Amino acid sequence: NAGVTQTPKFQVLKTGQSMTLQCAQDMNHNSMYWYRQDPGMGLRLIYYSASEGTTDKGEVPNGYNVSRLNKREFSLRLESAAPSQTSVYFCASSVTGTGNQPQHFGDGTRLSIL
Amino acid sequence: GENVEQHPSTLSVQEGDSAVIKCTYSDSASNYFPWYKQELGKRPQLIIDIRSNVGEKKDQRIAVTLNKTAKHFSLHITETQPEDSAVYFCAASPSGAGSYQLTFGKGTKLSVIP
Repeated sequence: NAGVTQTPKFQVLKTGQSMTLQCAQDMNHNSMYWYRQDPGMGLRLIYYSASEGTTDKGEVPNGYNVSRLNKREFSLRLESAAPSQTSVYFCASSVTGTGNQPQHFGDGTRLSIL
Repeated sequence: GENVEQHPSTLSVQEGDSAVIKCTYSDSASNYFPWYKQELGKRPQLIIDIRSNVGEKKDQRIAVTLNKTAKHFSLHITETQPEDSAVYFCAASPSGAGSYQLTFGKGTKLSVIP
């Protein structure tokens, strides 16, 4: 059981380039999430998908878009990357999104924008 | 929205001593409180969680206590070992349908000195 798989693990972009981060889970979870982690800032929610076919903004959605491709996959897109988007990005999933279910995280994508 | 404060930001203890990390939250509707451990370069992993109908929960050397009146909860690690060295994050979430956001504290870096 792989759990939550993120690709790529590392990426370097130039300012203005676009990029899609991929996430897939094999736990048959309904809800999926994208977070960013910056030093000293904890984990901040970018977007989430409560169930297949729905997406909603989190705390820091500006500059990002998401797609819930199917129940397993949830992608995060940077249309025009900026240095402020340099961060570690984590995808997570939970059985449901009712707020009291554990979230399971992937290994993260380390993204640098030059 | 919810705001979670976590203290201290760094904590050093001697091997075998106890460690306590404290968090406060602002939203009285929050009733799910997970704790995550993140080793350097790794994913956050759930170590224990507590729901508001419970005041204390234990799992071997770790325990979490919750005071809903004061809106604070704490992580207690007894008989610390070098492998407990990591960053620990608390989080809070309201329960119920539509409550998808998990708000994290900024983390506590625990160092266990052999």
